Amino acid sequence: EAGVAQSPRYKIIEKRQSVAFWCNPISGHATLYWYQQILGQGPKLLIQFQNNGVVDDSQLPKDRFSAERLKGVDSTLKIQPAKLEDSAVYLCASSRVVGNEQFFGPGTRLTVL
Amino acid sequence: AQKITQTQPGMFVQEKEAVTLDCTYDTSDQSYGLFWYKQPSSGEMIFLIYQGSYDEQNATEGRYSLNFQKARKSANLVISASQLGDSAMYFCAMREPSGYSTLTFGKGTMLLVSP
Repeated sequence: EAGVAQSPRYKIIEKRQSVAFWCNPISGHATLYWYQQILGQGPKLLIQFQNNGVVDDSQLPKDRFSAERLKGVDSTLKIQPAKLEDSAVYLCASSRVVGNEQFFGPGTRLTVL
Repeated sequence: AQKITQTQPGMFVQEKEAVTLDCTYDTSDQSYGLFWYKQPSSGEMIFLIYQGSYDEQNATEGRYSLNFQKARKSANLVISASQLGDSAMYFCAMREPSGYSTLTFGKGTMLLVSP
């Protein structure tokens, strides 16, 4: 079974620019998560989808971050405009249902200059 | 207060030796789950082992075992017979039933295995 796919793997932008990340979860997984992992820290949940609905976005900085899950499958996370402190690895994960083991993608390393 | 505490920023072990990575947690729930993930330099988080709060036996998965001490609120990962490929960051995480069963991660421990 194919794992969680993410693209791009690396992205370098200047502050105030926009950027978007893409995630394709494991087939059949209803729950999709986006995490932000700042260097030296553990991942922090940004947003959680159940099918194509948002169930938890309490830690998403909504003034600049947005996310959607198209038709309950692929998801896109956008940052607009980016700040220096957004430099981090953005991890996407999926699980068959809420609460089950989460499978992670390889992540996107974002550098904001 | 931190929900997951990993006090060891880095650990060194020789190949073929056993190593214990510490994790303590804080929760008022009776039902919860504890996870360990491995993150190699490639960046992907790899699930290693899971322990439910009501599980009576300590979880084991191959060379990985979880030393679960509920009263002390600790869930230490034991890796037996370390291999060079075990060099990576290791994260402890907790899932609580409140909210949406999200995972809360610790800051991680970097393990280096030497020949």
